[in-house]
Amino acid sequence: GAVVSQHPSRVICKSGTSVKIECRSLDFQATTMFWYRQFPKQSLMLMATSNEGSKATYEQGVEKDKFLINHASLTLSTLTVTSAHPEDSSFYICSARFRRAGDYEQYFGPGTRLTVT
Amino acid sequence: AQSVTQLGSHVSVSEGALVLLRCNYSSSVPPYLFWYVQYPNQGLQLLLKYTSAATLVKGINGFEAEFKKSETSFHLTKPSAHMSDAAEYFCAVSGPSTGANNLFFGTGTRLTVIP
Repeated sequence: GAVVSQHPSRVICKSGTSVKIECRSLDFQATTMFWYRQFPKQSLMLMATSNEGSKATYEQGVEKDKFLINHASLTLSTLTVTSAHPEDSSFYICSARFRRAGDYEQYFGPGTRLTVT
Repeated sequence: AQSVTQLGSHVSVSEGALVLLRCNYSSSVPPYLFWYVQYPNQGLQLLLKYTSAATLVKGINGFEAEFKKSETSFHLTKPSAHMSDAAEYFCAVSGPSTGANNLFFGTGTRLTVIP
């Protein structure tokens, strides 16, 4: 199957700083990438959807100025958490999608655990 | 609008016993349905998906699920649980894959396998 990587896998930062998380599709070109966050023992909540070369579409309640998403190429999307606060501590998962044989296939990265102190 | 409900946030079975994880969906259009597995501190791995072909879908690791439109269900089963099946399982739904439809996830079911 297709592989999606995320970097870093874990990051600890101080309150007020910014953190960048990278998501890469390693063996395919992703026309669309998604960013999710997952709180402990809860499901994945979609934060935003991004298409290569265009602005991300944010879900209701997600601050676009706080969670900056850049989808610079067909294999790379980045999520930057700006001015991080302890309540931003969460597990962030990216997902990449491409079209094959007339249908969409979506694959998930391994996640990044962010801890804000 | 699409949504899924997973009954039972935690299921425990004995090793070798039948695994049954329940999922009911709500969709205003013919749905695509998915089951994903998540191991601790990892992303999601696709187990299987239903895309309007055969109603009984076979996936990886011996899992299968049956789409029942009359019951709006897509329950996940495995005849014999293995210790390595212990994980979090998520059911998800999307609309027909003709556009930028996103996945909507259930709240997950944690499967514990007792030796």
